[in-house]
Amino acid sequence: EVQMVESGGNLVQPGGSLRLSCVASGFTFSTYAMNWVRQAPGKGLEWVSGVSDSGDNTYYADSVKGRFTISRDNSKNTLYLQMNSLRVEDTAVYYCANVQRLSLWGKGTTVTVSS
Amino acid sequence: EIVMTQSPAALSVSPGERATLSCRASQSFSTSLAWYQQKPGQAPRLLIYGASTRATGIPARFSGSGSGTEFTLTISSLQSEDFAVYYCLQYNNWPQWTFGQGTKVEIK
Repeated sequence: EVQMVESGGNLVQPGGSLRLSCVASGFTFSTYAMNWVRQAPGKGLEWVSGVSDSGDNTYYADSVKGRFTISRDNSKNTLYLQMNSLRVEDTAVYYCANVQRLSLWGKGTTVTVSS
Repeated sequence: EIVMTQSPAALSVSPGERATLSCRASQSFSTSLAWYQQKPGQAPRLLIYGASTRATGIPARFSGSGSGTEFTLTISSLQSEDFAVYYCLQYNNWPQWTFGQGTKVEIK
């Protein structure tokens, strides 16, 4: 079955860190660029970060630049998002999404930043 | 950055009626435009890509059109399961995807 499953979301205090993971299966992960997209409670969808198929090129929204790091391990079919210096406004459901296969999204993992 | 603006923000429609949702881009970019449906607690579901191509398994009552800066999603005869929030996405400018702010289709 073709799917992606996120994990790692949690409740964290402002200033804290989390690492999200997205494990892909059922397709050749290493041949696709990948994105992270988030959705704050009651709000719309926001692109957060992207990485090329090889992992050599990474891209960030201005809102997370310098705080978040995207990476991937193609040997493990896994995408990561390291989130540091978290803010209350980073509270959201985080989805991984396949850039070329637009139908392929995970179900999301919830990050809550609160004291 | 390409800014995507959807209208209206909300739409009240009776079952069986037609719904027309719009998405306008701040810059022209041919047809790299997708439409998603999202229901509460669920991930977005792809309906349309390439501005007008239905995704696998999407009913024919959903259709997309447009190019350049003006795009439209039409639901020809709303079914109960179609009441949801709809988002447009421009993917011409990868890596920076840009979403519209969404249109909520509500039962009238």
